[in-house]
Amino acid sequence: GENVEQHPSTLSVQEGDSAVIKCTYSDSASNYFPWYKQELGKRPQLIIDIRSNVGEKKDQRIAVTLNKTAKHFSLHITETQPEDSAVYFCAASMNTGFQKLVFGTGTRLLVSP
Amino acid sequence: NAGVTQTPKFRVLKTGQSMTLLCAQDMNHEYMYWYRQDPGMGLRLIHYSVGEGTTAKGEVPDGYNVSRLKKQNFLLGLESAAPSQTSVYFCASSPNRQDGSEAFFGQGTRLTVV
Repeated sequence: GENVEQHPSTLSVQEGDSAVIKCTYSDSASNYFPWYKQELGKRPQLIIDIRSNVGEKKDQRIAVTLNKTAKHFSLHITETQPEDSAVYFCAASMNTGFQKLVFGTGTRLLVSP
Repeated sequence: NAGVTQTPKFRVLKTGQSMTLLCAQDMNHEYMYWYRQDPGMGLRLIHYSVGEGTTAKGEVPDGYNVSRLKKQNFLLGLESAAPSQTSVYFCASSPNRQDGSEAFFGQGTRLTVV
């Protein structure tokens, strides 16, 4: 089955710096790659997603890139702010009659003022 | 529009006790899921359902059972709780979209088994 690895497990940056989180997946049939943000004590919420027919997607300060050949995708946050501090999860899924999301182990991002 | 609602939010069980977690969604989604979240291990799929009356095993199904008698509800049962089942449990739902779609999560249930 699909396996998703996520790095780093923790990331500390200064306010205004950029942050990059990387994920690799194992199954080349995966076609959907969402990123979720989870604030302390809250539920995971989708922040951006990308499908396999697209190489890059951007939404204001966040962007995601996908390299299908290398089977990896990355989350980029520019001009980080303290409210970006949270745990970020990547995930991958393929549709074989059912979309089963497999999550990475998470990255704790800390943005210091 | 409430989205996905889980009850209860917190629960403490003694080893060997049983309980049922309830998940309800009001978005008419076909798919529903139960995940557990443990430190350093991300979200792991316990069981899932592709529609009313159907259930299937996920990555870590042992010790759990599920039922989906109505499209909007997905129940997770623990028949004989063990300390290893101490975790935060999340229910989620998503529409049936061939190229992938957002999963909407409930607020979570923090379960402690002593």
